[in-house]
Amino acid sequence: GENVEQHPSTLSVQEGDSAVIKCTYSDSASNYFPWYKQELGKGPQLIIDIRSNVGEKKDQRIAVTLNKTAKHFSLHITETQPEDSAVYFCAASRTLSYNTDKLIFGTGTRLQVFP
Amino acid sequence: DSGVTQTPKHLITATGQRVTLRCSPRSGDLSVYWYQQSLDQGLQFLIQYYNGEERAKGNILERFSAQQFPDLHSELNLSSLELGDSALYFCASSRRGSGGSTVYNEQFFGPGTRLTVL
Repeated sequence: GENVEQHPSTLSVQEGDSAVIKCTYSDSASNYFPWYKQELGKGPQLIIDIRSNVGEKKDQRIAVTLNKTAKHFSLHITETQPEDSAVYFCAASRTLSYNTDKLIFGTGTRLQVFP
Repeated sequence: DSGVTQTPKHLITATGQRVTLRCSPRSGDLSVYWYQQSLDQGLQFLIQYYNGEERAKGNILERFSAQQFPDLHSELNLSSLELGDSALYFCASSRRGSGGSTVYNEQFFGPGTRLTVL
């Protein structure tokens, strides 16, 4: 069945260090991979995404890489700041040529950035 | 602010009762998705509507139902509530095209409704 595994479940880093979160998906037809940041009491916020025809995408301090062969994708945050502290979710979805583009979520990573 | 609104923000009710959660998508978005977030199950897809029609169902209980109205807002109805239904319920929307579209569409989430069943 459709499944997304996410590691680690918690991650603590010092301010200024880098953080890496890794996900593995099972559905070979998945070709859209968004990452969401969820702060306490708020809804998930889309921070970056990657399509299957791209291997890497960067937006300022965050980057995402995709290895379709291995079905792995990762989120990289550089120069972490205390405001990066939140729960991060990866997700996988199929293209719109299918009937639904529902998101299958990973289990989340709680990132804590210490000053 | 994602542009997706949900009401109410909090809902406290008793077992056996019925509640309705409301979602207004971003302006121009045709697709609405409902997700449930609980501590033990994480974020789970419930159901999707596109332009008023049901498009897909996920792990949605038979006691739950939803609809999307002509003005594109959506409602999620939860009935015969049980303690285990306590969770955060999120609505998301996207500008998703029809099944033949090759455009990928991001999903934007609302602030959620926290449901507590006592």
